[in-house]
Amino acid sequence: GAVVSQHPSWVICKSGTSVKIECRSLDFQATTMFWYRQFPKQSLMLMATSNEGSKATYEQGVEKDKFLINHASLTLSTLTVTSAHPEDSSFYICSARDQGGAVSEQYFGPGTRLTVT
Amino acid sequence: EDKVVQSPLSLVVHEGDTVTLNCSYEVTNFRSLLWYKQEKKAPTFLFMLTSSGIEKKSGRLSSILDKKELFSILNITATQTGDSAIYLCAVSSGNTGKLIFGQGTTLQVKP
Repeated sequence: GAVVSQHPSWVICKSGTSVKIECRSLDFQATTMFWYRQFPKQSLMLMATSNEGSKATYEQGVEKDKFLINHASLTLSTLTVTSAHPEDSSFYICSARDQGGAVSEQYFGPGTRLTVT
Repeated sequence: EDKVVQSPLSLVVHEGDTVTLNCSYEVTNFRSLLWYKQEKKAPTFLFMLTSSGIEKKSGRLSSILDKKELFSILNITATQTGDSAIYLCAVSSGNTGKLIFGQGTTLQVKP
């Protein structure tokens, strides 16, 4: 089946530093990937839609200069949290849409837990 | 504004009980409605519903969509402790297929 990986699975960083999270589709090509954030006891909130070879589309209220998204290939999207602050601590999950599959079909990565101290 | 609302937000039952989880939505450019189960990590896929009135079934779980009334239900019969999780409803919207999630229903099944 379709597999999506994320790296790292967890990261602790100091306030003010930047953290990069990778999302890879392992056995399919993904022209579109999605980045979600989930705070404790809350649901997934879509942050942005990442399109291969073009700029990401950010949801309202998400700062594009703070959450840099790069989708350089059909199997890799990265999310960089710049100048991280404790309030950015969250569970970040990516999903990927199979280029050859249904529009609604997304495969989720295992998530990355970010803690900013 | 697009929104997906789930109810109840939390539920505690005993093993063997039957539960019904609700999901209503107001979304432009509706494509499909999806149910996920989330335990410790990322959500795992349960069902995708696109047509009204057609029940989808997988073991003790079943789900149905009503596109006229804009809601869906997820039924779990003969619940087990392993069913304890957060159940997420999401609606796929537009050409990108982006998912709009509801708040989730936290289900706890006691032995």
